[in-house]
Amino acid sequence: DAGVIQSPRHEVTEMGQEVTLRCKPISGHDYLFWYRQTMMRGLELLIYFNNNVPIDDSGMPEDRFSAKMPNASFSTLKIQPSEPRDSAVYFCASRGGRGADTQYFGPGTRLTVL
Amino acid sequence: AQSVTQLGSHVSVSEGALVLLRCNYSSSVPPYLFWYVQYPNQGLQLLLKYTSAATLVKGINGFEAEFKKSETSFHLTKPSAHMSDAAEYFCAVGTGSNYKLTFGKGTLLTVNP
Repeated sequence: DAGVIQSPRHEVTEMGQEVTLRCKPISGHDYLFWYRQTMMRGLELLIYFNNNVPIDDSGMPEDRFSAKMPNASFSTLKIQPSEPRDSAVYFCASRGGRGADTQYFGPGTRLTVL
Repeated sequence: AQSVTQLGSHVSVSEGALVLLRCNYSSSVPPYLFWYVQYPNQGLQLLLKYTSAATLVKGINGFEAEFKKSETSFHLTKPSAHMSDAAEYFCAVGTGSNYKLTFGKGTLLTVNP
């Protein structure tokens, strides 16, 4: 398996622009997680899905952030409008079905908002 | 609620020396515990995990960790450090069937020649 795939790997944008990050989980995994990593706050869980349904979005910082999972093989995290404080590395992770307790991480998207 | 404390944001050892990275957790229910490693500009890779089986867990690259309930600890060790072990290490605790994880702040391991 190719593992969790994220695109783009790097994104540089200007304040106020819309940013969309993409994730393809490992085939057969029914949980998908979005994390944000910064020097100040470490690794934070933003939202997670089970069977394409958002279960817990309490980590989403504000209404500028939204996430969708239209099908089992694709998810997006959108920031609109983006701000410099959104600069971070965003990770997607997925986890297999019953009995599979490990989250597998993608390589991350490094976002820079100027 | 669950939380993780990693003692020491930066640990420096000599090549061949013992590696000890400390992790203490807090959980109201029996926890699942994980150690992940992150190399520069890469995602997190699972090193090892404790999920209520043997308390001494062996992982990849010669690492192991011991779950000590009485001390609420899950420290990571390796008998002899290698230069390739230089990376950031994260301890995480999860509970419940969703395995929602809470991560520690990470410990950066430096290995000196």
